[in-house]
Amino acid sequence: EDKVVQSPLSLVVHEGDTVTLNCSYEVTNFRSLLWYKQEKKAPTFLFMLTSSGIEKKSGRLSSILDKKELFSILNITATQTGDSAVYLCAVEGNDYKLSFGAGTTVTVRA
Amino acid sequence: DGGITQSPKYLFRKEGQNVTLSCEQNLNHDAMYWYRQDPGQGLRLIYYSQIVNDFQKGDIAEGYSVSREKKESFPLTVTSAQKNPTAFYLCASRSPGQGRRDEQFFGPGTRLTVL
Repeated sequence: EDKVVQSPLSLVVHEGDTVTLNCSYEVTNFRSLLWYKQEKKAPTFLFMLTSSGIEKKSGRLSSILDKKELFSILNITATQTGDSAVYLCAVEGNDYKLSFGAGTTVTVRA
Repeated sequence: DGGITQSPKYLFRKEGQNVTLSCEQNLNHDAMYWYRQDPGQGLRLIYYSQIVNDFQKGDIAEGYSVSREKKESFPLTVTSAQKNPTAFYLCASRSPGQGRRDEQFFGPGTRLTVL
Protein backbone atom coordinates (compact mmCIF):
# COMPACT_ATOMS: atom_id res chain seq x y z
CA GLU A 1 0.00 0.00 0.00
CA ASP A 2 1.22 3.48 -0.86
CA LYS A 3 2.28 5.56 2.13
CA VAL A 4 2.64 9.31 2.61
CA VAL A 5 3.94 10.73 5.90
CA GLN A 6 3.93 14.43 6.66
CA SER A 7 5.78 16.17 9.46
CA PRO A 8 5.35 17.95 11.69
CA LEU A 9 1.66 17.32 12.35
CA SER A 10 1.24 20.92 13.45
CA LEU A 11 3.25 24.02 14.18
CA VAL A 12 2.72 27.56 15.41
CA VAL A 13 4.85 30.44 14.16
CA HIS A 14 4.79 34.22 14.23
CA GLU A 15 4.29 36.47 11.24
CA GLY A 16 7.51 36.87 9.32
CA ASP A 17 8.89 33.47 10.26
CA THR A 18 9.88 30.83 7.70
CA VAL A 19 8.35 27.36 7.88
CA THR A 20 9.47 24.11 6.30
CA LEU A 21 7.04 21.25 5.88
CA ASN A 22 8.15 17.72 5.11
CA CYS A 23 6.60 14.93 3.11
CA SER A 24 8.11 11.47 2.76
CA TYR A 25 6.58 8.72 0.70
CA GLU A 26 6.62 5.11 -0.42
CA VAL A 27 4.74 4.47 -3.63
CA THR A 28 4.77 1.95 -6.43
CA ASN A 29 5.73 3.50 -9.77
CA PHE A 30 5.97 7.12 -8.68
CA ARG A 31 4.48 9.58 -11.16
CA SER A 32 4.16 12.88 -9.29
CA LEU A 33 3.90 14.60 -5.91
CA LEU A 34 1.38 17.35 -5.27
CA TRP A 35 0.98 19.95 -2.52
CA TYR A 36 -2.37 21.45 -1.52
CA LYS A 37 -3.53 24.11 0.91
CA GLN A 38 -6.77 23.52 2.77
CA GLU A 39 -8.59 26.13 4.76
CA LYS A 40 -12.15 25.59 5.92
CA LYS A 41 -13.21 24.10 2.61
CA ALA A 42 -11.89 21.99 -0.26
CA PRO A 43 -8.12 21.84 -0.90
CA THR A 44 -6.59 24.23 -3.40
CA PHE A 45 -3.68 23.22 -5.59
CA LEU A 46 -0.21 24.64 -4.91
CA PHE A 47 2.42 22.62 -6.78
CA MET A 48 2.99 19.48 -8.78
CA LEU A 49 6.49 18.01 -8.78
CA THR A 50 7.76 15.28 -11.05
CA SER A 51 11.52 15.81 -11.32
CA SER A 52 14.16 15.78 -8.61
CA GLY A 53 16.05 18.93 -7.71
CA ILE A 54 13.91 21.40 -9.61
CA GLU A 55 12.44 24.00 -7.31
CA LYS A 56 8.97 25.28 -7.98
CA LYS A 57 8.13 28.75 -6.71
CA SER A 58 4.96 30.74 -6.32
CA GLY A 59 5.40 33.98 -4.43
CA ARG A 60 6.55 33.16 -0.91
CA LEU A 61 5.97 29.43 -1.36
CA SER A 62 8.45 27.02 -2.87
CA SER A 63 8.82 23.28 -3.07
CA ILE A 64 11.38 20.74 -4.14
CA LEU A 65 11.42 16.99 -4.65
CA ASP A 66 14.13 14.41 -3.94
CA LYS A 67 13.21 11.18 -5.73
CA LYS A 68 16.29 9.36 -4.47
CA GLU A 69 15.50 9.97 -0.80
CA LEU A 70 11.74 9.89 -1.43
CA PHE A 71 10.73 13.19 0.12
CA SER A 72 9.63 16.69 -0.65
CA ILE A 73 9.66 19.94 1.30
CA LEU A 74 7.37 22.92 1.13
CA ASN A 75 8.80 26.25 2.30
CA ILE A 76 6.85 29.33 3.21
CA THR A 77 8.88 32.49 3.80
CA ALA A 78 7.79 35.71 5.51
CA THR A 79 4.64 33.98 6.78
CA GLN A 80 1.39 35.90 7.10
CA THR A 81 -1.77 35.09 9.05
CA GLY A 82 -3.41 34.16 5.75
CA ASP A 83 -0.98 31.25 5.46
CA SER A 84 -2.71 29.56 8.38
CA ALA A 85 -4.13 26.34 6.95
CA VAL A 86 -3.65 22.60 6.64
CA TYR A 87 -1.04 21.73 4.02
CA LEU A 88 -1.56 18.39 2.33
CA CYS A 89 0.92 16.32 0.38
CA ALA A 90 -0.26 13.72 -2.13
CA VAL A 91 1.61 11.19 -4.22
CA GLU A 92 0.49 9.67 -7.50
CA GLY A 93 1.40 6.06 -8.19
CA ASN A 94 0.03 3.24 -10.25
CA ASP A 95 -3.18 3.75 -12.20
CA TYR A 96 -3.17 7.48 -11.39
CA LYS A 97 -4.13 6.72 -7.81
CA LEU A 98 -3.49 9.69 -5.50
CA SER A 99 -2.69 9.01 -1.84
CA PHE A 100 -2.68 11.84 0.71
CA GLY A 101 -0.77 12.35 3.90
CA ALA A 102 -2.50 13.41 7.13
CA GLY A 103 -1.49 17.03 6.61
CA THR A 104 0.43 19.65 8.57
CA THR A 105 -1.59 22.31 10.39
CA VAL A 106 0.19 25.67 10.27
CA THR A 107 -0.94 28.46 12.56
CA VAL A 108 0.58 31.89 12.00
CA ARG A 109 0.13 34.33 14.90
CA ALA A 110 0.16 38.08 14.36
CA ASP B 1 -17.52 28.23 -16.00
CA GLY B 2 -15.78 24.87 -15.77
CA GLY B 3 -15.70 23.12 -12.46
CA ILE B 4 -16.83 20.35 -10.16
CA THR B 5 -20.10 20.45 -8.30
CA GLN B 6 -21.17 18.32 -5.39
CA SER B 7 -24.59 18.09 -3.89
CA PRO B 8 -25.96 18.39 -1.37
CA LYS B 9 -23.64 20.55 0.72
CA TYR B 10 -25.01 19.12 3.97
CA LEU B 11 -26.74 15.79 4.35
CA PHE B 12 -28.32 14.11 7.32
CA ARG B 13 -29.37 10.51 7.38
CA LYS B 14 -30.66 8.02 9.87
CA GLU B 15 -28.67 4.95 10.74
CA GLY B 16 -29.40 2.05 8.42
CA GLN B 17 -30.25 4.20 5.39
CA ASN B 18 -28.33 4.29 2.15
CA VAL B 19 -27.55 7.72 0.75
CA THR B 20 -26.09 8.88 -2.57
CA LEU B 21 -23.75 11.85 -2.94
CA SER B 22 -23.62 13.56 -6.31
CA CYS B 23 -20.48 14.67 -8.14
CA GLU B 24 -20.52 16.29 -11.58
CA GLN B 25 -17.68 17.88 -13.57
CA ASN B 26 -17.67 19.75 -16.87
CA LEU B 27 -13.88 19.91 -17.20
CA ASN B 28 -13.77 16.97 -19.60
CA HIS B 29 -11.52 15.15 -17.14
CA ASP B 30 -11.03 11.43 -17.52
CA ALA B 31 -10.26 10.52 -13.91
CA MET B 32 -12.53 11.10 -10.93
CA TYR B 33 -11.99 10.41 -7.24
CA TRP B 34 -13.86 10.21 -3.95
CA TYR B 35 -12.16 11.01 -0.67
CA ARG B 36 -13.29 11.03 2.91
CA GLN B 37 -11.91 13.47 5.47
CA ASP B 38 -12.41 13.13 9.22
CA PRO B 39 -11.70 15.97 11.67
CA GLY B 40 -7.98 16.67 11.98
CA GLN B 41 -7.08 14.07 9.38
CA GLY B 42 -5.95 14.01 5.79
CA LEU B 43 -7.88 12.68 2.83
CA ARG B 44 -8.46 8.95 2.49
CA LEU B 45 -9.26 7.52 -0.92
CA ILE B 46 -12.55 5.63 -1.20
CA TYR B 47 -12.89 4.91 -4.94
CA TYR B 48 -11.45 6.26 -8.15
CA SER B 49 -12.22 5.92 -11.82
CA GLN B 50 -9.87 6.48 -14.72
CA ILE B 51 -12.42 6.03 -17.46
CA VAL B 52 -16.15 5.57 -18.03
CA ASN B 53 -17.55 2.21 -16.92
CA ASP B 54 -14.44 1.39 -14.90
CA PHE B 55 -13.47 2.13 -11.30
CA GLN B 56 -11.10 0.84 -8.62
CA LYS B 57 -11.29 0.55 -4.86
CA GLY B 58 -9.21 2.94 -2.85
CA ASP B 59 -7.93 2.38 0.67
CA ILE B 60 -11.29 2.46 2.48
CA ALA B 61 -13.90 1.18 0.00
CA GLU B 62 -15.84 -1.03 2.41
CA GLY B 63 -19.40 0.17 2.88
CA TYR B 64 -19.32 2.38 -0.23
CA SER B 65 -20.26 1.89 -3.87
CA VAL B 66 -19.84 3.98 -7.03
CA SER B 67 -20.79 4.02 -10.68
CA ARG B 68 -19.27 5.77 -13.70
CA GLU B 69 -21.85 5.58 -16.47
CA LYS B 70 -20.97 9.02 -17.85
CA LYS B 71 -17.67 10.87 -18.03
CA GLU B 72 -19.16 13.85 -16.21
CA SER B 73 -20.66 12.01 -13.27
CA PHE B 74 -19.29 9.85 -10.45
CA PRO B 75 -21.93 9.35 -7.71
CA LEU B 76 -21.00 7.77 -4.38
CA THR B 77 -23.44 5.67 -2.36
CA VAL B 78 -22.82 5.35 1.35
CA THR B 79 -24.49 2.11 2.36
CA SER B 80 -25.76 0.96 5.72
CA ALA B 81 -22.72 -1.32 5.87
CA GLN B 82 -20.44 1.66 6.43
CA LYS B 83 -19.85 1.61 10.17
CA ASN B 84 -18.94 5.24 10.73
CA PRO B 85 -20.16 7.32 7.80
CA THR B 86 -20.21 10.77 9.43
CA ALA B 87 -17.48 12.71 7.61
CA PHE B 88 -16.66 15.32 5.01
CA TYR B 89 -16.71 13.83 1.49
CA LEU B 90 -14.70 15.35 -1.33
CA CYS B 91 -14.95 14.57 -5.00
CA ALA B 92 -12.10 15.42 -7.38
CA SER B 93 -11.22 15.10 -11.04
CA ARG B 94 -8.15 15.43 -13.23
CA SER B 95 -6.71 14.48 -16.58
CA PRO B 96 -3.51 12.57 -15.87
CA GLY B 97 -0.69 13.08 -18.30
CA GLN B 98 -1.76 16.56 -19.37
CA GLY B 99 1.46 18.10 -18.05
CA ARG B 100 1.08 21.44 -16.34
CA ARG B 101 -2.68 21.17 -16.26
CA ASP B 102 -2.45 17.91 -14.44
CA GLU B 103 -3.51 19.04 -11.01
CA GLN B 104 -6.49 17.57 -9.31
CA PHE B 105 -9.49 19.84 -8.94
CA PHE B 106 -11.75 19.42 -5.94
CA GLY B 107 -15.44 19.97 -5.54
CA PRO B 108 -16.77 21.95 -2.55
CA GLY B 109 -17.54 18.83 -0.53
CA THR B 110 -20.55 17.24 1.16
CA ARG B 111 -20.74 17.03 4.92
CA LEU B 112 -22.64 13.88 5.88
CA THR B 113 -23.99 13.43 9.38
CA VAL B 114 -25.59 10.21 10.55
CA LEU B 115 -28.13 10.75 13.31
